[in-house]
Amino acid sequence: AQKVTQAQTEISVVEKEDVTLDCVYETRDTTYYLFWYKQPPSGELVFLIRRNSFDEQNEISGRYSWNFQKSTSSFNFTITASQVVDSAVYFCALSEGRADYKLSFGAGTTVTVRA
Amino acid sequence: ETGVTQTPRHLVMGMTNKKSLKCEQHLGHNAMYWYKQSAKKPLELMFVYNFKEQTENNSVPSRFSPECPNSSHLFLHLHTLQPEDSALYLCASSPGGTGGALATQYFGPGTRLLVL
Repeated sequence: AQKVTQAQTEISVVEKEDVTLDCVYETRDTTYYLFWYKQPPSGELVFLIRRNSFDEQNEISGRYSWNFQKSTSSFNFTITASQVVDSAVYFCALSEGRADYKLSFGAGTTVTVRA
Repeated sequence: ETGVTQTPRHLVMGMTNKKSLKCEQHLGHNAMYWYKQSAKKPLELMFVYNFKEQTENNSVPSRFSPECPNSSHLFLHLHTLQPEDSALYLCASSPGGTGGALATQYFGPGTRLLVL
């Protein structure tokens, strides 16, 4: 069964628009970690953020913000005032319990920002 | 300097060839990983090495053979591959151990492999 679901396959926006990427996860562990990675056309996955299951504080880093809600098992990612350089595939991932070195990735959401 | 490097970046090989992919990390990490990324599929974990010991083999066919001579280097030896093995192969490393920061993985740029 898919542990991480990214329902949006592709999102296209015009520069300066905000874009929110949804991520829903499934786990029975009480201790787990959630991640977001960015994969630009060059191919390398770039680590953006890690959140542990005990920390539900939302986080903002520049134009990026993350909304973690355990009640809905969601860890959504918002890019504010998008730029062309934000065009990439974004992956949400989950690691669980004692095997937290194993990442379960979602299918990814392709974001295209048009000038 | 890029933390995780991979060579070659692109590789075309025939089904009878033998080739190797190389990964090197400059982050002082102790765990290294191979992933396969095919079009329209989620990333698939192939192998995990922790402190040079293989701790995970995710039902990978024997035509893929990993080697980890030390904590900084990881190889993936390829032999008699099939066209469906064409994909982006990503290497990653993490500090090693469990718990948040120690399990966070950092990726290389990948090797794009085409099997003819």
